Amino acid sequence: SQKIEQNSEALNIQEGKTATLTCNYTNYSPAYLQWYRQDPGRGPVFLLLIRENEKEKRKERLKVTFDTTLKQSLFHITASQPADSATYLCAPGGDSSYKLIFGSGTRLLVRP
Amino acid sequence: DGGITQSPKYLFRKEGQNVTLSCEQNLNHDAMYWYRQDPGQGLRLIYYSQIVNDFQKGDIAEGYSVSREKKESFPLTVTSAQKNPTAFYLCASSMGGQSQETQYFGPGTRLLVL
Repeated sequence: SQKIEQNSEALNIQEGKTATLTCNYTNYSPAYLQWYRQDPGRGPVFLLLIRENEKEKRKERLKVTFDTTLKQSLFHITASQPADSATYLCAPGGDSSYKLIFGSGTRLLVRP
Repeated sequence: DGGITQSPKYLFRKEGQNVTLSCEQNLNHDAMYWYRQDPGQGLRLIYYSQIVNDFQKGDIAEGYSVSREKKESFPLTVTSAQKNPTAFYLCASSMGGQSQETQYFGPGTRLLVL
């Protein structure tokens, strides 16, 4: 069955450093992958979408890579700030369906 | 002010009781979704609807029912058949009909069993 894996342990970094979160998938060939941010007790908010033919996508301090050979996406936040502290969810999607499969998320903590 | 609203924020269910969670959107989206989120787990799809008067089961539909009589509304009923209903329930919508669509989420409803 399709499996999405994100680091279950929280990532704890110092303000100003780059945070790198990993999303791995197995038994799946997604045509695209989305990243969402979720704050405690709230619904997820869309951040970025990257397609299978794109190696990298950037938006302000955010960067996402998508390696279909490694079956992995990396999500980077540069110059991290305490306000970036949240849980980040990856969600690969298929090419014939708009159903998304969400990973369990990685919690990021940015220390001032 | 466009968006998705869910109510109530907290809901308590007694044993054997059916409860209904509300989801309304004014984004003019065709597609709507219901997810369940448990601590430490990803979102799991319960039901989704691509268009009014049509809906499909997701991965964990047992014990739940939905209706889609209006484009703006997609209520979820948690029936007494759902033996472990305690969770955070999220409603989402997207423009509909296309893949690679962004989903917009509501604020969620937390369901607790008394």
